Amino acid sequence: EIVMTQSPATLSVSPGDRATLSCRAGQSVSSNLAWYQQKPGQAPRLLIYGASTRATGIPARFSGSGSGTEFTLTISSLQSEDFAVYYCQEYNSWPPWTFGQGTKVEIK
Amino acid sequence: EVQLVESGGGLVQPGGSLRLSCAVSGFTFRNYWMHWVRQAPGKGLVCVSRINSDGSSTTYADSVKGRFTISRDNAKNTLYLQMNSLRAEDTALYYCAREESSSGTFDYWGQGTLVTVSS
Repeated sequence: EIVMTQSPATLSVSPGDRATLSCRAGQSVSSNLAWYQQKPGQAPRLLIYGASTRATGIPARFSGSGSGTEFTLTISSLQSEDFAVYYCQEYNSWPPWTFGQGTKVEIK
Repeated sequence: EVQLVESGGGLVQPGGSLRLSCAVSGFTFRNYWMHWVRQAPGKGLVCVSRINSDGSSTTYADSVKGRFTISRDNAKNTLYLQMNSLRAEDTALYYCAREESSSGTFDYWGQGTLVTVSS
């Protein structure tokens, strides 16, 4: 099982500012990395797959980068609806695919 | 519109059983691999089980292997998770999720059904 480590656990950001979230894999996952957003009481929503491709309907302010073991999700200008928990997920080796523990983006 | 609706959760004693269902609509169910993903209260997401499009191949996380069984009925557009020998650590919100075109990512999720294992 690949261990996915996200940092920081909590990120305090002001609306309009840039947010940078990190995800590290315990071994290479190539570009088989996805990011999800989860708001309270809701199911996760797919944001990014293939490390850098936005899913359908995802705004351009969300971008992903990285490969191998180091990945980054950047939100260029935080909107009120972006305050949520973000998870990375590797899908390089099953079973099972694994998620990071999440980064909570909160209002500063 | 794609919809996934879970049901069957509830309170069960340790050692007991439950069967979860996930009724889907809005897409051709038989073409997609499907998953169960769980989330313990206040915790992160954990993949539990996966089934291929025709039901001939299933895989499980080590934590549930031998206790849980995933299945599907493509005629009824329904995914199932039979959970036996339940433990306190199985307490979680259980989501069904569609795997996007066998890509490894989950593009649609249900709202989840809560399973609580407690005496």
